[in-house]
Amino acid sequence: DVKVTQSSRYLVKRTGEKVFLECVQDMDHENMFWYRQDPGLGLRLIYFSYDVKMKEKGDIPEGYSVSREKKERFSLILESASTNQTSMYLCASSTGTARSYGYTFGSGTRLTVV
Amino acid sequence: DQQVKQNSPSLSVQEGRISILNCDYTNSMFDYFLWYKKYPAEGPTFLISISSIKDKNEDGRFTVFLNKSAKHLSLHIVPSQPGDSAVYFCAAFTSGSARQLTFGSGTQLTVLP
Repeated sequence: DVKVTQSSRYLVKRTGEKVFLECVQDMDHENMFWYRQDPGLGLRLIYFSYDVKMKEKGDIPEGYSVSREKKERFSLILESASTNQTSMYLCASSTGTARSYGYTFGSGTRLTVV
Repeated sequence: DQQVKQNSPSLSVQEGRISILNCDYTNSMFDYFLWYKKYPAEGPTFLISISSIKDKNEDGRFTVFLNKSAKHLSLHIVPSQPGDSAVYFCAAFTSGSARQLTFGSGTQLTVLP
């Protein structure tokens, strides 16, 4: 089974801090994604990557950046954390084959910015 | 501009009865649809999918129906069990183009014993 591991389940950070959320997958998937989940808004795509060193903006990239230096690792960076970035962050991966549309998600990181 | 909409944020059903979760979409280019289930403090897990060339797909207690003319799909769970209590997300995809899924806002299903 594909495993997607997010480094932290819970994080509390201060406003203005630089925050790193790490995600690692172990099945050689090409595609990796970062979403945030908020009540009433569902899952919103922040950034995604189809290959190493490649990144594309999703629907809500403002205030975030990403890094993909290795195929298995996709990092989400909050350059200067703000309280409106308090959320559940979910990483996912998928293969690039035409008939494999589903994602495998990590367990999520609950980030609180105070 | 939500391309995938789940208009019911919550649904309560008695154990053993049918649960029907609804999803509407606006993008006519979507041709593949999925349902995910999410428990608290866990990531979403894939439940069932349907291609636009079909109007029904069944997997055990779960059936997804697709009405392309109405741009509407629904997930039926029969019979509902307390372990089905979770948030259900509808998602859509356009094959042959970008690889990211577009998700709805989710419906919290509560199955009462």
